[in-house]
Amino acid sequence: DAGVIQSPRHEVTEMGQEVTLRCKPISGHNSLFWYRQTMMRGLELLIYFNNNVPIDDSGMPEDRFSAKMPNASFSTLKIQPSEPRDSAVYFCASSLSTGGDGYTFGSGTRLTVV
Amino acid sequence: GEDVEQSLFLSVREGDSSVINCTYTDSSSTYLYWYKQEPGAGLQLLTYIFSNMDMKQDQRLTVLLNKKDKHLSLRIADTQTGDSAIYFCAETPGYSTLTFGKGTMLLVSP
Repeated sequence: DAGVIQSPRHEVTEMGQEVTLRCKPISGHNSLFWYRQTMMRGLELLIYFNNNVPIDDSGMPEDRFSAKMPNASFSTLKIQPSEPRDSAVYFCASSLSTGGDGYTFGSGTRLTVV
Repeated sequence: GEDVEQSLFLSVREGDSSVINCTYTDSSSTYLYWYKQEPGAGLQLLTYIFSNMDMKQDQRLTVLLNKKDKHLSLRIADTQTGDSAIYFCAETPGYSTLTFGKGTMLLVSP
């Protein structure tokens, strides 16, 4: 089992550019979560999907952020346009359900917007 | 408040026991978790406890749960330098998504 796979591991981009982060969850997991981690705010849940359907996107900071899950094995988080304050580590996690079983996290994408 | 609270930093010497404390918010949380994050890595599930338990032991790890005070602790026996990491407590309010604390950085010195 390769675990939750995220790409890229590191992304450096200029302010105003579009950024797309990718995630492949563990096969068979039906819930997928996007988190953002910063020193100041810790781990913040941005959005989560259950059976490919977005359930709660109340954590998405603003309209510049969007997430999709076109199928059970792939999800994207897009930021357009990016800003320096978006710099953070973005984690994807998957689970068999929204609670109880715990989440399996990917290694994260470290985003730097200059 | 609505936050899961943890102390930010703990320093111990190799071989000592470490105790990391957490205060959670929702008495309806069914499961409570401890995750470990090593530098440059994602969060790794260490252990969890079901809300009807007071204690769970798993090798060097002991989890204690005080539901009355909404207090959770993680004890690591015979702490090793490889245990140096950030430890996150998490709750599942209303059997919903996990809510994490800000993490406790554990530094183990030789």
